[in-house]
Amino acid sequence: KAGVTQTPRYLIKTRGQQVTLSCSPISGHRSVSWYQQTPGQGLQFLFEYFSETQRNKGNFPGRFSGRQFSNSRSEMNVSTLELGDSALYLCASRVGDSPLHFGNGTRLTVT
Amino acid sequence: AQSVSQHNHHVILSEAASLELGCNYSYGGTVNLFWYVQYPGQHLQLLLKYFSGDPLVKGIKGFEAEFIKSKFSFNLRKPSVQWSDTAEYFCAVTAPGGTGGYNKLIFGAGTRLAVHP
Repeated sequence: KAGVTQTPRYLIKTRGQQVTLSCSPISGHRSVSWYQQTPGQGLQFLFEYFSETQRNKGNFPGRFSGRQFSNSRSEMNVSTLELGDSALYLCASRVGDSPLHFGNGTRLTVT
Repeated sequence: AQSVSQHNHHVILSEAASLELGCNYSYGGTVNLFWYVQYPGQHLQLLLKYFSGDPLVKGIKGFEAEFIKSKFSFNLRKPSVQWSDTAEYFCAVTAPGGTGGYNKLIFGAGTRLAVHP
């Protein structure tokens, strides 16, 4: 069974631009979560989607948004990028309350 | 707000030394607890989990963790570390919230472990 797939692996953007990251969950997993990982901060929860509905949200500004499609694939969008948005963005999928399965992440660098 | 605290940000050990990484959480209700590991260049992987039952849980690669409810702790242990255990370790806890009672997973800041041969 294929794992969680995130694209692209690396991304370089300029301040003020917007970016869209993609995540394909494990087949059969309907829940997709997004996390931001930075040194010293650990993993900060962004949001979680289930059946195309956002069911949990972290404490990030409205510039961070996401959506989930009927095939459970998810996208995360960040608008008006800031230098502080540079991070590893992780996607994870799960079934019910089972442990999360993580992808390799997308490394976003904002210059 | 629920939170997870990992006491050590960096730990350096020699091979065969014993390991204990601290994890405390702040939430008074029922919790599910996890330890994840991130080896250099790899994705996060589950080490072990506690949902209920025996508070001493065993995971992969010889790791174990003990849930002490009265102390709100879930410390990770390994009797004898190896060079290959060099990685970053994250403690995580589910917290209630969201539609239908599904829980979001909250992580600690992580502990970087370096094991020297």
